[in-house]
Amino acid sequence: GENVEQHPSTLSVQEGDSAVIKCTYSDSASNYFPWYKQELGKRPQLIIDIRSNVGEKKDQRIAVTLNKTAKHFSLHITETQPEDSAVYFCAAGGGSYIPTFGRGTSLIVHP
Amino acid sequence: GAVVSQHPSRVICKSGTSVKIECRSLDFQATTMFWYRQFPKQSLMLMATSNEGSKATYEQGVEKDKFLINHASLTLSTLTVTSAHPEDSSFYICSARVASYEQYFGPGTRLTVT
Repeated sequence: GENVEQHPSTLSVQEGDSAVIKCTYSDSASNYFPWYKQELGKRPQLIIDIRSNVGEKKDQRIAVTLNKTAKHFSLHITETQPEDSAVYFCAAGGGSYIPTFGRGTSLIVHP
Repeated sequence: GAVVSQHPSRVICKSGTSVKIECRSLDFQATTMFWYRQFPKQSLMLMATSNEGSKATYEQGVEKDKFLINHASLTLSTLTVTSAHPEDSSFYICSARVASYEQYFGPGTRLTVT
């Protein structure tokens, strides 16, 4: 089955800095890679996703990059704000998309 | 995005009793729903995949007789925790799949077994 590794587990940045979270996956058949943001006690919210036919996708301050050869994908958040503080999860899935989640990254943005 | 509701949001029950959690897709039909369990400061652990009109597919290590899943309609899946014990206390989250890939989560149910 799929195995997703996510790093770092905790990331602390100053407001305005950039934050990068990295994930690797094991199953070369995976072709869908979403990122979720989860605030304490709340549901995970889909913030951006990428499919395997695309190398990069951007949405305002958030971008995701995918390297299929190396089997890794990353989330980039620029100009971080305190409200970006949350736990971020990556996931990977194949055609039938039974999703496998990473262990999560706790992002702390200090004002 | 698609809206998924979950009820109840919080439940406290006594050891040995059963608890039912409902997951509804409000503005779309979901042929597939997923049930997750999440421990504090940990990731989402997939428990089972629920397909409308058929038996759920459970992940390895999840007791299907303890966690009963029913997906009787295209908008409703239920998870029943039978004979609950304190170790079943957790945050249970459902999600529904839209189209082939996109997945939207319910708000979760905090179960506390005393």
